[in-house]
Amino acid sequence: TQLLEQSPQFLSIQEGENLTVYCNSSSVFSSLQWYRQEPGEGPVLLVTVVTGGEVKKLKRLTFQFGDARKDSSLHITAAQPGDTGLYLCAGDGASNTGKLIFGQGTTLQVKP
Amino acid sequence: ETGVTQSPTHLIKTRGQQVTLRCSSQSGHNTVSWYQQALGQGPQFIFQYYREEENGRGNFPPRFSGLQFPNYSSELNVNALELDDSALYLCASSFSPGTYEQYFGPGTRLTVT
Repeated sequence: TQLLEQSPQFLSIQEGENLTVYCNSSSVFSSLQWYRQEPGEGPVLLVTVVTGGEVKKLKRLTFQFGDARKDSSLHITAAQPGDTGLYLCAGDGASNTGKLIFGQGTTLQVKP
Repeated sequence: ETGVTQSPTHLIKTRGQQVTLRCSSQSGHNTVSWYQQALGQGPQFIFQYYREEENGRGNFPPRFSGLQFPNYSSELNVNALELDDSALYLCASSFSPGTYEQYFGPGTRLTVT
């Protein structure tokens, strides 16, 4: 069974601080996605990484896919209160099927 | 372009009852996947429908069943509800089963008492 371990589960930081969220597995994934979810809403796709070693930037967010395609990280620079939410990583298994396996999520609170 | 919609928003049922949840996929998308998200957890894959056929299933019992219609909208049916079925049920649509990007609806919050 493929699993994604996400850490930390909870993060409470002050505005302006940097943070990194990790997503690890012993399995290879064909692609890995990061979502952000607000209370009472569905997850919203932030980024998809496909190639081992790939780095993608979205404003203050930097996403990296591990060389072996088993792990990923999300780094936020100078966090803002608007970044508060649940961050989820999701992998698509060794072959691209669209049947996503999600991590447990990281709840981020950014205090002004 | 209309996004993914789900109905109802909230639902309260009694243990043993049956429930049907509905999802309209985003325009142009022919694949719908359903996920269950328990409180404080990440979503878990229930099953996927592609061109009106089930195209893969997660570790859920047969009392979870689904349908996809010719317009690609979909239903999730749960029979003999149990307390542990209380969760947020999410549907996601995509252009095809192998498309990386899935677009999620707002979910249906089911409470079983």
